[in-house]
Amino acid sequence: EIVLTQSPTTIAASPGEKVTITCRASSSVSYMYWYQQKSGASPKLWIYDTSKLASGVPNRFSGSGSGTSYSLTINTMETEDAATYYCQQWSSTPYTFGAGTKLELK
Amino acid sequence: EVKLQQSGDELVRPGASVKISCKASGYTFTSYSMHWVKQRPGQGLEWIGAIIPIIDTTEYNQKFKGKATLTADKSSNTANMELSRLTSEDSAVYYCAIYYYDGTYYYGFAYWGQGTLVTVSS
Repeated sequence: EIVLTQSPTTIAASPGEKVTITCRASSSVSYMYWYQQKSGASPKLWIYDTSKLASGVPNRFSGSGSGTSYSLTINTMETEDAATYYCQQWSSTPYTFGAGTKLELK
Repeated sequence: EVKLQQSGDELVRPGASVKISCKASGYTFTSYSMHWVKQRPGQGLEWIGAIIPIIDTTEYNQKFKGKATLTADKSSNTANMELSRLTSEDSAVYYCAIYYYDGTYYYGFAYWGQGTLVTVSS
């Protein structure tokens, strides 16, 4: 099973601040996917194929990485970005998720 | 518009079974695999397994073999998950989600149901 380790577990950012969340895989994966989840809601696809933004996702978000190291970056934090972000791999079953990074507004 | 409508929240006794449904609309039901994901309160996401409706093939996370049984009813465009021998560890929100492919890109879990809360309690 591929274990995905996200860091940090929690982060607080002020509006306008740059934020980076990392996801490290225990084995190499081809692509990384990211989901945003707000309290009480279903997760939403946020980034697919490592760096492609899902429909409706603001372009202040970006994704990058390869092999075992991936990241999600918010160029300038906005209030609405406060949420939990999960990375996920499709390279091998069981398809696994990271434990999540909770992004809070400072 | 793609929509996945899940059945309502359930309160079940320990040792019992529960069946959750996920009715799909807005796309051809047999075109995409249907997946199920577990989320315990305040916790992360766990992939349970998937069914490919067009060929009725299932794949399970080893951790959920014997716990979850996935089926699909093509006549009603509904995917089902039955959870058996329930314990407190099974109390969670369960989501259905489709693995979406548009012919060019694999989008991952592009569409999710609203979630079904299963509470196991006597």
